Amino acid sequence: KNEVEQSPQNLTAQEGEFITINCSYSVGISALHWLQQHPGGGIVSLFMLSSGKKKHGRLIATINIQEKHSSLHITASHPRDSAVYICAALQRPNTDKLIFGTGTRLQVFP
Amino acid sequence: DTEVTQTPKHLVMGMTNKKSLKCEQHMGHRAMYWYKQKAKKPPELMFVYSYEKLSINESVPSRFSPECPNSSLLNLHLHALQPEDSALYLCASRTGTGSTGELFFGEGSRLTVL
Repeated sequence: KNEVEQSPQNLTAQEGEFITINCSYSVGISALHWLQQHPGGGIVSLFMLSSGKKKHGRLIATINIQEKHSSLHITASHPRDSAVYICAALQRPNTDKLIFGTGTRLQVFP
Repeated sequence: DTEVTQTPKHLVMGMTNKKSLKCEQHMGHRAMYWYKQKAKKPPELMFVYSYEKLSINESVPSRFSPECPNSSLLNLHLHALQPEDSALYLCASRTGTGSTGELFFGEGSRLTVL
């Protein structure tokens, strides 16, 4: 069993839909990253969370430390949001080590 | 400058060749990472350098040899690779310590071993 699990693995949506991607982890962490990877490779960091909630444009990320769970929400989804979304946990106490989830492949259709 | 720059973007090499991948950042980040990513899989950690010293080696075969000549530069030297080493090699860097470090990735170097 992976230490960081994501669901769903694949997600398709119509433009405008509200999207939720979930991440659960079983190890102690100091922070959790949400990352976006478009076809072709480059990875962009969307959020880094250690508690609570963060919002950037149409993206919202939340984390519940007690339940060891984080969610990424996309409001008013758009085809350009199509990408792989990965959560990565910064493991305690070795804060240099990121444990990656398996990723969620999102396709948004017009 | 908030970029991590990787060169080359594409590399094709034979199993007897020696080549290197390069990663550069000028953000003063203290931690630099090499990841290997196969198609449709998440990145796998290979090496971490912290303050220019190797802090994590995830049991990577010795045909991969990392080097950190200075705080801005990270190299990955490749020698006698196998076709199964073909993958996207990603470099990342991170500032701060503990939970405060924002993470930046390069675009990756796509390696094909013939």
